[in-house]
Amino acid sequence: EVQVVESGGGVVQPGGSLRLSCTASGFTFSDYEMNWVRQTPGRGLEWISYISDSGSTIFYSDSVKGRFTISRDNAKKSLFLQMNSLSADDTGVYYCVSWYSSALDYWGQGILVPVSP
Amino acid sequence: AIQMTQSPSSLSASVGDRVTIACRASQGIRNDLGWYQQKPGKAPKVLIYGASSLHIGVPSRFSGTGFGTDFTLTISSLQPDDFATYYCLQDHDYPWTFGQGTKVEMK
Repeated sequence: EVQVVESGGGVVQPGGSLRLSCTASGFTFSDYEMNWVRQTPGRGLEWISYISDSGSTIFYSDSVKGRFTISRDNAKKSLFLQMNSLSADDTGVYYCVSWYSSALDYWGQGILVPVSP
Repeated sequence: AIQMTQSPSSLSASVGDRVTIACRASQGIRNDLGWYQQKPGKAPKVLIYGASSLHIGVPSRFSGTGFGTDFTLTISSLQPDDFATYYCLQDHDYPWTFGQGTKVEMK
C-alpha cells in the first residue's frame, strides 16, 4: 500500500523557520520526482517546489524562492522542505506529492502550518 | 507565469446531469494539463493527465479534452460521489499553476 506521510508542522511565529519532512512507502521513492504543493486561504492550491528523482534539478515558485529549500534523501525515502522567513501568507496546508507519468499521483494527507504571533 | 482561468467558479447540478468545466491558459501549453478532484478535508486526487488521459482507477464518466489554451473536463452523468471541487493544473512550464477551482454543488 502506498503511503506518503508529512510531519514537522506546527505553529511558528512570523519570521521564523520550520522544516517539513515527508516519508514514503509502497513505491520506489528513488524513481519518483517529488513536489510540495500548498493550499492557503489567499492563493488556493499552489505548487511551490519540485525536485527530480536524483535531486539534481530543483524548481521553486516565485512566492517561496530564496526562502524555502527542497531536498531529498533517497536512502531514507524522505523529502524535506526547509522554510525560512515565514509570514502569515505562508499559513496553510502543505502536501508532499509524487510526480509520475505526467500526474501528481501520490499525495500525503497534508500538514497544517499556521504562522501566527 | 502561466495563468489558468477556470469557469465557472461554482455550479449547481443534480445526480445524472452532464457537467462541463472549462479551463483556459494564458498561453499555449500543448496538452500539458491535468484535472484534480478535491473533497473537504482531503488531498486532491488526479482524474485526468495529458489533457485527455484517464488516470488509473478513475471512472469512465470523467473525460477531458483540449489542446493549446482551452480545455474541458466533462462528467457525463454526475454521481453522488462527484460533488467536490475541481482544479486544473498546467505542467507545461515552471512554475506550475493551478486554476482557482470549480465547486460542484448539489442542486
